[in-house]
Amino acid sequence: ETGVTQTPRHLVMGMTNKKSLKCEQHLGHNAMYWYKQSAKKPLELMFVYSLEERVENNSVPSRFSPECPNSSHLFLHLHTLQPEDSALYLCASSQELRGVYEQYFGPGTRLTVT
Amino acid sequence: GNSVTQMEGPVTLSEEAFLTINCTYTATGYPSLFWYVQYPGEGLQLLLKATKADDKGSNKGFEATYRKETTSFHLEKGSVQVSDSAVYFCAISSSGGSYIPTFGRGTSLIVHP
Repeated sequence: ETGVTQTPRHLVMGMTNKKSLKCEQHLGHNAMYWYKQSAKKPLELMFVYSLEERVENNSVPSRFSPECPNSSHLFLHLHTLQPEDSALYLCASSQELRGVYEQYFGPGTRLTVT
Repeated sequence: GNSVTQMEGPVTLSEEAFLTINCTYTATGYPSLFWYVQYPGEGLQLLLKATKADDKGSNKGFEATYRKETTSFHLEKGSVQVSDSAVYFCAISSSGGSYIPTFGRGTSLIVHP
């Protein structure tokens, strides 16, 4: 498989559940990102990993916990979420090419918190 | 910090009409500029880019020119198709190889047959 893949594509969970979102990139990139995309709101950057180290954490609530075990995989662990966390969660990866970073996105996980 | 301003949507056009989606930015130095497109049910994908002043990015009939004097990167297409219906995001990335881009809010385009 090529590009950036995300699983699951759809997830419904209760507020007391624990679940994880998975992202895998097959592009050899060294930076990976989690974004939250909600209706009527701008794209929100949540976390950035560069060379497997977290370099950005944009005041995201602790009920979201990222993990980057290697340069190809990125996880987002979810626990005790709120209904307002329902959104499309997008993973992206990038690599420098002549000083420019282009991002490649996965198809997203549509999360519904009930 | 960097910021990107896009025109509010939705933009509604008939097939074969001319498209312009405005994008202006504020940034220090010489950022790289991007347009991403998001089709329904999918993630964002890079549509085109420009990395220095007066560069023109182009792809799939879309074009945008890096205008440093007006800090703009407007997206244009001469004749839109129904299949162009999507959300379009303007983005910038600071000079010096920053890997954290700044995105605009996105502009929805609806093309009717």
